[in-house]
Amino acid sequence: GQQVMQIPQYQHVQEGEDFTTYCNSSTTLSNIQWYKQRPGGHPVFLIQLVKSGEVKKQKRLTFQFGEAKKNSSLHITATQTTDVGTYFCAGSSNTGKLIFGQGTTLQVKP
Amino acid sequence: DTGVSQNPRHKITKRGQNVTFRCDPISEHNRLYWYRQTLGQGPEFLTYFQNEAQLEKSRLLSDRFSAERPKGSFSTLEIQRTEQGDSAMYLCASTLGPGLQPQHFGDGTRLSIL
Repeated sequence: GQQVMQIPQYQHVQEGEDFTTYCNSSTTLSNIQWYKQRPGGHPVFLIQLVKSGEVKKQKRLTFQFGEAKKNSSLHITATQTTDVGTYFCAGSSNTGKLIFGQGTTLQVKP
Repeated sequence: DTGVSQNPRHKITKRGQNVTFRCDPISEHNRLYWYRQTLGQGPEFLTYFQNEAQLEKSRLLSDRFSAERPKGSFSTLEIQRTEQGDSAMYLCASTLGPGLQPQHFGDGTRLSIL
């Protein structure tokens, strides 16, 4: 079945440094969604990418969808302590069910 | 928009007991999803409803698991004869279909099997 892999599993950065997490799917995705889960919290939707090669920005966050629609990345510029959490990518099927990666947990040292 | 509500927040039970969780989706959301999340992993899809119809079930969902959404509003997930391996966070999400929409998650029910 479809698998979504995410690396790295953990990332520790100094506040102000950049951060990137990468997501790869075993199959072509119709779209990809990114979620953030704070410690003790639930996944919160960040963004959805649909088009091949799409790039979207939200303030310091930049999301990319690969040309082949099998990979994606999330880049955070100049991390802040409020960025702490686990970032998940998720591919969705036509029914809308999400296949999540295992997540990248970001720790930011002030 | 009051958000997705899940009850209880925590459930501790002995192995072999039955448990039932409830999910109240955002009103008017016609799609409802159940996921299971274990420590250090992403949520895993369990099952999905469109209105009252259960349209898809994961192979992860053994015969001990059953889910309902009788009137197309709230949903229940029951686990019979619980096992140690059932310990996890059970998350519910809802969305307004059709199409590929963001999912709104509840805070989950954390199940601990003694």
